[in-house]
Amino acid sequence: AQKITQTQPGMFVQEKEAVTLDCTYDTSDPSYGLFWYKQPSSGEMIFLIYQGSYDQQNATEGRYSLNFQKARKSANLVISASQLGDSAMYFCAMREPYGSARQLTFGSGTQLTVLP
Amino acid sequence: KAGVTQTPRYLIKTRGQQVTLSCSPISGHRSVSWYQQTPGQGLQFLFEYFSETQRNKGNFPGRFSGRQFSNSRSEMNVSTLELGDSALYLCASSWDDKGIAGANVLTFGAGSRLTVL
Repeated sequence: AQKITQTQPGMFVQEKEAVTLDCTYDTSDPSYGLFWYKQPSSGEMIFLIYQGSYDQQNATEGRYSLNFQKARKSANLVISASQLGDSAMYFCAMREPYGSARQLTFGSGTQLTVLP
Repeated sequence: KAGVTQTPRYLIKTRGQQVTLSCSPISGHRSVSWYQQTPGQGLQFLFEYFSETQRNKGNFPGRFSGRQFSNSRSEMNVSTLELGDSALYLCASSWDDKGIAGANVLTFGAGSRLTVL
């Protein structure tokens, strides 16, 4: 079964508008971490934001915020005030605690295009 | 502070050859992980090293191997290359992988893009 599901292969947003990228996950562990990475066409994966499963508050980093709904197992990324430079592939990833698989499990990604 | 450096950035090989990719982690990072990214399979975990020991391995054939040196630099090797090995190989480093705290964010390099002809 897919552990991380990103159902939007592609998204378009107008410059300066906000956009939400969806991510749902599946784990039976109570302790886990959720990450969002951005991958521009150059290939490098750029860390954006992290949410721990025990964190009470939704994570925020500048224009990025994570809408964490634990009961629904969703961790959507919200980008406010989109910029042209935000055009990239966005990956949601999960890390389960050590003792099991310690690597990141990635979703299939969402290609975001910001329109001028 | 220098980021994760991967070399070479691009390379072309033919089937049956072998390839070695190099990764220099961020100074002080002792955990190095490798991922393969292809259009069909997405991002898949290859292996993870910590203090010169492989601690975790993904579901890849034995043709894929790696190692880590005492200075935390890592190399991965793919022998007897197949067309399906064409991919972007990403290396990532972190302080440690204990737990899942935010401090253990993986920092990725720009990748090595391998084309097998």
